[in-house]
Amino acid sequence: GAGVSQSPRYKVAKRGQDVALRCDPISGHVSLFWYQQALGQGPEFLTYFQNEAQLDKSGLPSDRFFAERPEGSVSTLKIQRTQQEDSAVYLCASSLGATTTNEKLFFGSGTQLSVL
Amino acid sequence: QKEVEQDPGPLSVPEGAIVSLNCTYSNSAFQYFMWYRQYSRKGPELLMYTYSSGNKEDGRFTAQVDKSSKYISLFIRDSQPSDSATYLCATPNSGGSNYKLTFGKGTLLTVNP
Repeated sequence: GAGVSQSPRYKVAKRGQDVALRCDPISGHVSLFWYQQALGQGPEFLTYFQNEAQLDKSGLPSDRFFAERPEGSVSTLKIQRTQQEDSAVYLCASSLGATTTNEKLFFGSGTQLSVL
Repeated sequence: QKEVEQDPGPLSVPEGAIVSLNCTYSNSAFQYFMWYRQYSRKGPELLMYTYSSGNKEDGRFTAQVDKSSKYISLFIRDSQPSDSATYLCATPNSGGSNYKLTFGKGTLLTVNP
C-alpha cells in the first residue's frame, strides 16, 4: 500500500469492553511499532516487532494490553477490559530496517479510542 | 525530569515570520535527534534528523543541536500557513535503544495569513 493503514479510524467503547486495533504496515517493512498519544502529549512507545518477533513490550501499560504480528505483516493491538484512562490515539509505525537511528519511520493516522 | 522537554506553546506567528522551536534533553549520551511534524488528526511525519552537534538545512528548515547545553532547535524561515501543525522533537537513544523514540510534548504552531 501507499502508506501505513490503521483501522478503525475511531472507536468508542464502553468501560470493560475489549477492543482490537489493526495496523497494515508498508509492504516489506521489517519493523513495526505501536505508540500511544494522549491529548496534548507526544507519542509514547508501547511495543516493537521485528518481523513476527515482539522484541520489546516494555511500554505496554498493563497486562490488559496485548499485541501480535503473527505473519510479520499485519499487527493487532488488543486492549481487554478497557478503562477510561485508555482513551488516546493509538499510532502504528513501520520502517524498512531494524533501527530508527538512520531509518525513516512512517506513521499511520492512528485509531482514536474513546472509553466511556 | 522527562528525558526530552518541549514547551507546548501554543505559538502563533504571521506569515513570513521566522519560527524557532526548541527542546532540551537530559542525557549527554544522546546522539540522534529528529523533528516530526504532525497535522491535526494525522500521524507524525519525519521532517529532519541530525546526528551529534551542528546544523542541518533542508529548504526553509534548519535543525540545530548544541550538545554543550543539551539544546535542540528547529528554525522555519518564511513560514507559511501550511506549516501550521504540531512539531515534535524526538530521540531514539533513550535507555540505550536505537529504535524506541522518546518524544517531547510537541509545540502547536499556527501561521496566520
